[in-house]
Amino acid sequence: GQQVMQIPQYQHVQEGEDFTTYCNSSTTLSNIQWYKQRPGRHPVFLIQLVKSGEVKKQKRLTFQFGEAKKNSSLHITATQTTDVGTYFCAGRGRDDKIIFGKGTRLHILP
Amino acid sequence: NAGVTQTPKFQVLKTGQSMTLQCAQDMNHNSMYWYRQDPGMGLRLIYYSASEGTTDKGEVPNGYNVSRLNKREFSLRLESAAPSQTSVYFCASSGGTGSGETQYFGPGTRLLVL
Repeated sequence: GQQVMQIPQYQHVQEGEDFTTYCNSSTTLSNIQWYKQRPGRHPVFLIQLVKSGEVKKQKRLTFQFGEAKKNSSLHITATQTTDVGTYFCAGRGRDDKIIFGKGTRLHILP
Repeated sequence: NAGVTQTPKFQVLKTGQSMTLQCAQDMNHNSMYWYRQDPGMGLRLIYYSASEGTTDKGEVPNGYNVSRLNKREFSLRLESAAPSQTSVYFCASSGGTGSGETQYFGPGTRLLVL
C-alpha cells in the first residue's frame, strides 16, 4: 500500500540556522499538504501543493513538490523559536486516500 | 464559528469499558475524519466519512466503530477499550476538492486505558 516517509524524525538547530524536512512517497501523489503541530496542540494546515515541480513560499518557509510528484520538502530559513513544533506532510494517493508522514520534530536551541 | 469541537478533552477508562468520542463541525464540510496519534507514529487514520451517510475504514480501524450522525457530527466508539487504545484522538473535517481538501482539526481527546 501507499507509504509516506518523512525524514529526519528529529532535528535540533541553533536559532537562526536553516531547517529542511523531506517527504517521500512510494506512489505518485495527487497533491501533498503540510501541517504544523505545536507541542500539546492540534495540527494546523500550512499549504497544499498540486502541480509537478511546484514551489510556494510563505515568508521564511519554502515548499517544493517534486517533478515526479513523489516527494516534497519544507525549508525554513533563519529559524526562530516560534518555529518549534512537529511538521507533517500528508499525501493524497491515486486511491484518494490521505496518508500522513510520521513528522519531523523541530527543536530550536537558543 | 467554533470550527471543529471534540468532547471529552480527557478520559480515563478501564480495560473492557466502552465510550463514545464526539466530534462536531460548523463549517458545512462534507468530509470528516478520525485519527489517532501516538508518540513517534504520526497521525494514523482510523475511519473517515466522505459525505453524510457514508463511512470507510482507514489505516487502523480495528476496535473502533463510527457513526456519521448528520453532516455536522461524526462519532467514534470504542466498544471494549484496550490499553493499546491509549492515545490522543483527533477529529478533522474538510470541505471537498481543491483548496477544500484542507483538513481542520479539533483540539483532541486524550484517552488513557488502564
